[in-house]
Amino acid sequence: QKEVEQNSGPLSVPEGAIASLNCTYSDRVSQSFFWYRQYSGKSPELIMSIYSNGDKEDGRFTAQLNKASQYVSLLIRDSQPSDSATYLCAVRHLNTGNQFYFGTGTSLTVIP
Amino acid sequence: GAVVSQHPSWVICKSGTSVKIECRSLDFQATTMFWYRQFPKQSLMLMATSNEGSKATYEQGVEKDKFLINHASLTLSTLTVTSAHPEDSSFYICSALTSGRIPVAFQETQYFGPGTRLLVL
Repeated sequence: QKEVEQNSGPLSVPEGAIASLNCTYSDRVSQSFFWYRQYSGKSPELIMSIYSNGDKEDGRFTAQLNKASQYVSLLIRDSQPSDSATYLCAVRHLNTGNQFYFGTGTSLTVIP
Repeated sequence: GAVVSQHPSWVICKSGTSVKIECRSLDFQATTMFWYRQFPKQSLMLMATSNEGSKATYEQGVEKDKFLINHASLTLSTLTVTSAHPEDSSFYICSALTSGRIPVAFQETQYFGPGTRLLVL
């Protein structure tokens, strides 16, 4: 079983819609959760981090964490064509030192 | 935000030569840096974890004698691809771990450099 699993997509949403990206993880002692965005040909850039159960909002992005169910999601409201990218979920648990576990990413296309 | 730079951004070299890639944390000190490789349309592959002042920890299957990592200061880590071959052609990305102004271990965040494209002819 992989540490972090994401639906590879592609996920297509119309412009202005809400895009919902999901990620599940296997290790219950995971403590830190991150969403990165990677445009084609570029390196990943951090969108959000979340550490506590519940929602965390930053502009059009909302991260949701449910440790009991071992999932973390990212909602993108009012999706724009510029949001078209691959979204990587990353999980870290301190008992393995500095190791971050990345999912394989979900490809999102926002259709104008 | 935390800024990580990489140099060079592009390198083309002949088979058998060595290539050095630098990764710098510009506005913070990074005890830990990571090196990744990414082939087209594939996911990130962690190659090694670089800790300042100590030997790097390599992932299984990564040849430590071929991919030399040196983390000599809190702001600089280098990756040297020795005797590069065409199959080493890839996108190499470094990242640095920062805890921000108030260090809290589980809130350390990884910031990525822009990457280096290596083409070995």
